[in-house]
Amino acid sequence: GAVVSQHPSWVICKSGTSVKIECRSLDFQATTMFWYRQFPKQSLMLMATSNEGSKATYEQGVEKDKFLINHASLTLSTLTVTSAHPEDSSFYICSARARQGRTQYFGPGTRLLVL
Amino acid sequence: DQQVKQNSPSLSVQEGRISILNCDYTNSMFDYFLWYKKYPAEGPTFLISISSIKDKNEDGRFTVFLNKSAKHLSLHIVPSQPGDSAVYFCAANPSGNTGKLIFGQGTTLQVKP
Repeated sequence: GAVVSQHPSWVICKSGTSVKIECRSLDFQATTMFWYRQFPKQSLMLMATSNEGSKATYEQGVEKDKFLINHASLTLSTLTVTSAHPEDSSFYICSARARQGRTQYFGPGTRLLVL
Repeated sequence: DQQVKQNSPSLSVQEGRISILNCDYTNSMFDYFLWYKKYPAEGPTFLISISSIKDKNEDGRFTVFLNKSAKHLSLHIVPSQPGDSAVYFCAANPSGNTGKLIFGQGTTLQVKP
């Protein structure tokens, strides 16, 4: 149980385009989903927290207009990187948490490369 | 300010022996702690957790110990296997159940056959 999927697993795009990443909880309802970014040889950096049906809460320094998050259902959250630039190249990971749970279950991650 | 610290960036252990990974925290508001295992280019995999009302939790080869007075927790893996080689992150969740996790920097464990 507690499986989280992400799609796509990797994406290459041109600078200036937008990229959408999907995060799905496959066998439980995720009232809260989280989006992280990981740079090489570093720990996970929380970007934002999204609760189903409400606006996402962004961490300090994360541009909400750059990283659009939608959590429209209890099993799906999306992260859209708008007008991507090479500095947005990174490994993006989502996680999901059930209503009464305190454990986050992570997706497999999405590798984004912006040329 | 690093609220969760894993001071050992790496650890090497012989197969069959015990692996002990350590984690220190500074925030007294943390009341739930988790350990995750991560392979390169993959998301973290949940291993084991512990609530601050306990001082030990065991699941198979994995045991987590919590010393609240020292603000220290450790993960013991016995016996260690080559497949355990990965990066291990400890994480802390503050009371209030916002769900937000604060991660340590990670410790790379290498288990040698």
